[in-house]
Amino acid sequence: GQSLEQPSEVTAVEGAIVQINCTYQTSGFYGLSWYQQHDGGAPTFLSYNALDGLEETGRFSSFLSRSDSYGYLLLQELQMKDSASYFCAVWGYQKVTFGTGTKLQVIP
Amino acid sequence: NAGVTQTPKFRVLKTGQSMTLLCAQDMNHEYMYWYRQDPGMGLRLIHYSVGEGTTAKGEVPDGYNVSRLKKQNFLLGLESAAPSQTSVYFCASSYTGKTAEAFFGQGTRLTVV
Repeated sequence: GQSLEQPSEVTAVEGAIVQINCTYQTSGFYGLSWYQQHDGGAPTFLSYNALDGLEETGRFSSFLSRSDSYGYLLLQELQMKDSASYFCAVWGYQKVTFGTGTKLQVIP
Repeated sequence: NAGVTQTPKFRVLKTGQSMTLLCAQDMNHEYMYWYRQDPGMGLRLIHYSVGEGTTAKGEVPDGYNVSRLKKQNFLLGLESAAPSQTSVYFCASSYTGKTAEAFFGQGTRLTVV
């Protein structure tokens, strides 16, 4: 089976940097991806890591360590619109398993 | 660009009633998924399909059935709705199971009373 753990809530100040961690246990692993979901909306894709290391996409970066079964999403220069839930997701054989999500609140 | 479209967006059912949720995608994706989302539970996989005519069970398949008669459509059925099935249902699709980017529909908010 597959299981993922991430913090339930994080609060950060506008303009700051925040890191959201994700640890996973899985049988069969292709990669780790991150999704953003605003209240009442659908999840949208942010990033994907298949190999160890850091992937950068604008203000967002994602990191993966396959040996540690660990990854994180790094959000820089936080903006109020970044307030949302963030999900890590493990891509295994034929299916995707999502974590329970981290609710990020950005405060002025 | 329609992407992934779910029908209906909202529905209220009485216990024991049946209904079908429709998911349609216009991106020629092979893989399609049905998830339910409950507070504090994240997205849980109900059923999925890796191609036309195929379906498989996910984490929480009990009480649901699915069909993938056409590549672009993935139907989720509730034969006898229960209050425990009150949830927001999301359909998603991806080109394969390895491409990491799944595209989601806007969700169906279902209440069973």
